This record gives sequence, C-alpha cells and structure tokens, in this order.
Amino acid sequence: AQKVTQAQTEISVVEKEDVTLDCVYETRDTTYYLFWYKQPPSGELVFLIRRNSFDEQNEISGRYSWNFQKSTSSFNFTITASQVVDSAVYFCALSEPANFGNEKLTFGTGTRLTIIP
Amino acid sequence: NAGVTQTPKFRILKIGQSMTLQCTQDMNHNYMYWYRQDPGMGLKLIYYSVGAGITDKGEVPNGYNVSRSTTEDFPLRLELAAPSQTSVYFCASSYSSGVYEQYFGPGTRLTVT
Repeated sequence: AQKVTQAQTEISVVEKEDVTLDCVYETRDTTYYLFWYKQPPSGELVFLIRRNSFDEQNEISGRYSWNFQKSTSSFNFTITASQVVDSAVYFCALSEPANFGNEKLTFGTGTRLTIIP
Repeated sequence: NAGVTQTPKFRILKIGQSMTLQCTQDMNHNYMYWYRQDPGMGLKLIYYSVGAGITDKGEVPNGYNVSRSTTEDFPLRLELAAPSQTSVYFCASSYSSGVYEQYFGPGTRLTVT
C-alpha cells in the first residue's frame, strides 16, 4: 500500500531564512507520481509541482526547489529566502496511475510552515 | 474560468439531518473527487468519479453518497449526519488519472452538532 510521511508537523523560521520540508514515501510500484500542494490560510489547495518516478532531476522554480531521491524514497521541498507569504500548510502526495481502480492521491499529513517577520 | 466551485462555504447540521454539498467544474475534466480534511490528518478520499455515470468508493465512503449525471457536476450527499462527519470537504477535478494534478475547490466547512 502506498504511504506518504511528513514527519515535520510544524516549522517556524524567520523571514529570509531557507527552509526544507521533508517528504518520504512508500510504494511497491515502479511507476508513480509525486506532488506538492500548498494550502494557504484561505484554505484552498494549490498545486505546486508534479514529478514522475523516472525523472530524478531536481527542479527549481524561483525560490522553490525540489530534491527527488529514489534511493531514499524522498521528495523534499526547499524554500530559499522565505517570505511571509510562504506561510501555509504544505502537503506531499503520491499516486500510482497504473493501479487501475485505485487511481487516487495519497496525501501526507502536511507540514505547517510559519514565516516570522 | 471559475475552475472548481463548491457550495455552501459553511454549514451547521443537527445530528440526523441530511444535506448535499454541491461541486461544479468548468474545465471539462473527466475525473472528480471528494475529500475530507480533519485537523492534522491530511486529506482522505471519500468518493471519486472517472466520468459521467461512473463513481467509486475511496477510503472513507461510509455515510456518504455521490452521483455524476454530467461531466460538470459531482454532488456529495450526507444522509443522517453524525458528529464524526464534522470536517472540511474539498471537491477536486483532474484531466485524467493520477498522472495529472488535481484542481481543488475552496472547501465546505461542515459542523454537525
């Protein structure tokens, strides 16, 4: 069964510091997809990134970067030079699209990130 | 382009009452989902649909029902509301299966007392 673990329940950092959110996943499939979503205080979940299991290249988008390592089953998310607007709950999620009849996302429990001005 | 819309935003139900949470998407997505979010627990899938007329259970379907008569709409029905159904409910849609990202509605905060 697929599982996503976000061991950090809450993190607080001072503005402009860098912060890394950890995500560890479990799956028996060789084809899978990993996602990160942001849930700001307004409540709506916003898609940030998707990564498939065959692409281990790290990705950078502005201040955001993602480190995917199959060897450790991790897909960590780093925010560089954090800003107050980054304060949110961040969810990591996993899907196994080849598992027909079970095409769903499995979410981690989320990490609440607070950026202190 | 409104994306995924949900109504109502908030609702208080008494134990035993019933209600329908509405969800509409205007992106012509085949896949639609209902999740519930309990504090500190992430999102749990209630039901999902892969197209009009096709629905299936998720992880936590008990106490809920769904229907999908059109591509756009995916209402969630709560029968005989119980305090355990107090939660925030999110509807989502995606172009296809788990390969694609899901787009979420703003959520419905439901309290059952």
